[in-house]
Amino acid sequence: EVQLLESGGGFVQPGGSLRLSCAASGFTFSRYAMSWVRQAPGKGLEWVSSINNDGSSTYYADSVKVRFTISRDNSRNTLYLQMDSLRAEDTALYYCAKDPVGTMVVGYFDPWGQGTLVTVSS
Amino acid sequence: DIQMTQSPSSLSASVGDRLTITCRASHNIARYLNWYQQRPGKAPNLLIHAASTLQSGVPSRFSGSGSGTDFTLTISSLQPEDSASYFCQQSNSIPWTFGQGTKVEIK
Repeated sequence: EVQLLESGGGFVQPGGSLRLSCAASGFTFSRYAMSWVRQAPGKGLEWVSSINNDGSSTYYADSVKVRFTISRDNSRNTLYLQMDSLRAEDTALYYCAKDPVGTMVVGYFDPWGQGTLVTVSS
Repeated sequence: DIQMTQSPSSLSASVGDRLTITCRASHNIARYLNWYQQRPGKAPNLLIHAASTLQSGVPSRFSGSGSGTDFTLTISSLQPEDSASYFCQQSNSIPWTFGQGTKVEIK
C-alpha cells in the first residue's frame, strides 16, 4: 500500500523558513514524479510544485517561485519542500502527492498524504 | 493560466438522486481534466482522470465526460458516503489549476 507521510509543518513568523518532508513507502519512489499541493483553511486546492523522478526537472507556481525549493532524496525515499520568505498567504495544509503514471510530471495526483499544517503569522 | 470554473458551488440532494457537476476551462484543455473527491477532514482522492477514465476502486456510479472546455462529473445514484467536496483540475499545462470546488450535502 502506498503511504505518504508529511512532516515539518508548524508556526512561523512572516519572513521565516520551514522545510517540509514527505516520507514515501509502498512503491519504488525513484520511479515516480512527486508534487506538493496546498489548501488554505476552508479554501480550495492550489498546486505548489512538482519534481520528476530523478530531480532533474522542477516546476513551481508563480506564487512560490524563487521562495520555495522542491527536492528529493531517492536513497531516503523522501520528498522535500524548502520554504523561505514565508508570507501570511502561505498559511495552508500542505499535501504531498504521487504522480500516478511514472517518471515524468503529468500534472495529476494519486494518492495524497494527509498533509502538514503551516501557519505563518506574527 | 487556465482558469477552472465549477458549478454549482454547493448542492443538496437525496440518496438515490442523479447528480451532475459542471467544470468549465478558460482555454481548450482537450481531455486533460481530472476529478477529485475530498471528504471532510481528509485528503483529496482521485476519482477520474483524462475526463472519463475511472480510477481503480472508484464506484461505477461515478462517471465523467467532456472535452475542450466543458466537462461534467455525474453521480448516477447518490449514496450517503458521497457527501464531500468535489474538485476538477486541469493537467493540460503548468500551472496545474483546480476549480473552486462543489460541496455536496445529503438531504
